[in-house]
Amino acid sequence: AQSVSQHNHHVILSEAASLELGCNYSYGGTVNLFWYVQYPGQHLQLLLKYFSGDPLVKGIKGFEAEFIKSKFSFNLRKPSVQWSDTAEYFCAVSLSYNTDKLIFGTGTRLQVFP
Amino acid sequence: EAGVVQSPRYKIIEKKQPVAFWCNPISGHNTLYWYLQNLGQGPELLIRYENEEAVDDSQLPKDRFSAERLKGVDSTLKIQPAELGDSAVYLCASSLGVGQTGEETQYFGPGTRLLVL
Repeated sequence: AQSVSQHNHHVILSEAASLELGCNYSYGGTVNLFWYVQYPGQHLQLLLKYFSGDPLVKGIKGFEAEFIKSKFSFNLRKPSVQWSDTAEYFCAVSLSYNTDKLIFGTGTRLQVFP
Repeated sequence: EAGVVQSPRYKIIEKKQPVAFWCNPISGHNTLYWYLQNLGQGPELLIRYENEEAVDDSQLPKDRFSAERLKGVDSTLKIQPAELGDSAVYLCASSLGVGQTGEETQYFGPGTRLLVL
């Protein structure tokens, strides 16, 4: 069965530090990739998505992610985090033949301290 | 534009009691999803509707869970009877529908947090 792995369960950073959250998936075919964010007390929101084209995807709030097909990875990055980035981050995958079915990772909790 | 609306936001019931959750998707969104999110986990799909038709309910525990989407708009998810292990967050999401743009985004509601005692 297809799965999504997020290796970092809890990340603690100081403001202005750089961020990279790992995401790997297990599926050999064509995939669509997503990062969702859930701020405290709020609903899941889409940060960015990749369907095709440039493997470096830019999203909202200065986030970007790079799809590396050979590594089955879609890591999320931000060069300088802010306190307001404190949230839970979920990586998700859908398969090209079933684009409606999202498979989520277990999430990474990010805490940013001033 | 209003987002996905869910109610109630919180529900506490005793085991063996029934419970129902309601979802109103974004206007114009044909596809509606119900997800289950356990503590410390990512959401898992329970059921997906295309208009009023359930097109993927393979993960729905049909012995106690049921769902409906009458008229292809609002949807209700029901559990009867509830068990202790059903304590979780139940999320509703909606999208325009596959084939509309080829790059569908799912928009999530705030969820209903269920506690079964």
